[in-house]
Amino acid sequence: DAGITQSPRHKVTETGTPVTLRCHQTENHRYMYWYRQDPGHGLRLIHYSYGVKDTDKGEVSDGYSVSRSKTEDFLLTLESATSSQTSVYFCASMAEYRGGNTEAFFGQGTRLTVV
Amino acid sequence: GQSLEQPSEVTAVEGAIVQINCTYQTSGFYGLSWYQQHDGGAPTFLSYNALDGLEETGRFSSFLSRSDSYGYLLLQELQMKDSASYFCAVRFPTGYSTLTFGKGTMLLVSP
Repeated sequence: DAGITQSPRHKVTETGTPVTLRCHQTENHRYMYWYRQDPGHGLRLIHYSYGVKDTDKGEVSDGYSVSRSKTEDFLLTLESATSSQTSVYFCASMAEYRGGNTEAFFGQGTRLTVV
Repeated sequence: GQSLEQPSEVTAVEGAIVQINCTYQTSGFYGLSWYQQHDGGAPTFLSYNALDGLEETGRFSSFLSRSDSYGYLLLQELQMKDSASYFCAVRFPTGYSTLTFGKGTMLLVSP
């Protein structure tokens, strides 16, 4: 399995505070993603990265920012947490194989509660 | 827009065969993938179809028809441990290879 870890695994924070979630991968994958998962919505893309310092917005990027200063680390920041950002957050990195096949590897998720 | 439609829930019994469909309203994607997620766990990769046709991996098979904008995941010889959510996903060449998921299908396998 690709080594991809998220920290923290659980966090409770207060409304209005900034929060940073960390994702670390050891496979030298170029692409990394942050998703949130809510009941009835599946996995929705927040931001993604296609290289060091190369990032772009996904479909639900409002209120979030990301940074990627090293290939292995992809940080997600909630600039001022709101209750609507209570969710489970998953990070993923993508392996690209010969022939165009791809496989995403997910971290174990971070359960964030904003009170 | 890019959308993937899946049934929200499918039920089956142990030993049966079940098919989970994924229809999409988009074009120009690289391929169709399937992921499994057990309750409380992380999604894990099952299969990838770059070309039309059937891909088989043990008890699981996946199919893609670009002309019909349709794919499916076929699970054979169902086991209780197959109870999970299943997501189809497409990878788009625009936006530097974003990976977009359907909302998922919860499969409930009963004895």
